[in-house]
Amino acid sequence: EAGVTQFPSHSVIEKGQTVTLRCDPISGHDNLYWYRRVMGKEIKFLLHFVKESKQDESGMPNNRFLAERTGGTYSTLKVQPAELEDSGVYFCASSQVAGPYEQYFGPGTRLTVT
Amino acid sequence: SQKIEQNSEALNIQEGKTATLTCNYTNYSPAYLQWYRQDPGRGPVFLLLIRENEKEKRKERLKVTFDTTLKQSLFHITASQPADSATYLCARRAGGFKTIFGAGTRLFVKA
Repeated sequence: EAGVTQFPSHSVIEKGQTVTLRCDPISGHDNLYWYRRVMGKEIKFLLHFVKESKQDESGMPNNRFLAERTGGTYSTLKVQPAELEDSGVYFCASSQVAGPYEQYFGPGTRLTVT
Repeated sequence: SQKIEQNSEALNIQEGKTATLTCNYTNYSPAYLQWYRQDPGRGPVFLLLIRENEKEKRKERLKVTFDTTLKQSLFHITASQPADSATYLCARRAGGFKTIFGAGTRLFVKA
């Protein structure tokens, strides 16, 4: 079974540019989450999808961040325009709807804003 | 605030010894705690979940305890191996499926 995949693995952009991160969850997992780890800090929750619906987006930093999950499969996280403080590692995770509580994480996308 | 606190200092132990990592929580009573392992350049990998009514849980060489009086969970790796070297994260759920992570403790096991 394929795990959670994320693309790209690393992105370097200039301040003010736009970047779109993609996450493909494990097949059949209706729950999809985005997290971010800023250097030296703990992993922080950004938002949670159930299928295509946003269930909790309380962790989204501001309106420069837009997450979508059209069709309830893969998800994208767009940052527009990017700021220096957006640099970090963005993780995606997925889990079954009514199964065990563990989440399966992707390898992350390292975003560097210069 | 409802934080998870882990010892930020790295833990260095000799191969074969038992590693013990600590997770403390304050101002709330989580229904359960989770432990994850994270290797450099990779996402966290789920290891164990322990509920508040479970005092201890084991999985192979791993053992987790949950002391609601002390508001603490201990994570033990027995007969540690260099391959156990990683960062170990404690986490809890906070409403729905939102997960809050501790900063993690780095473990180094020397051969």
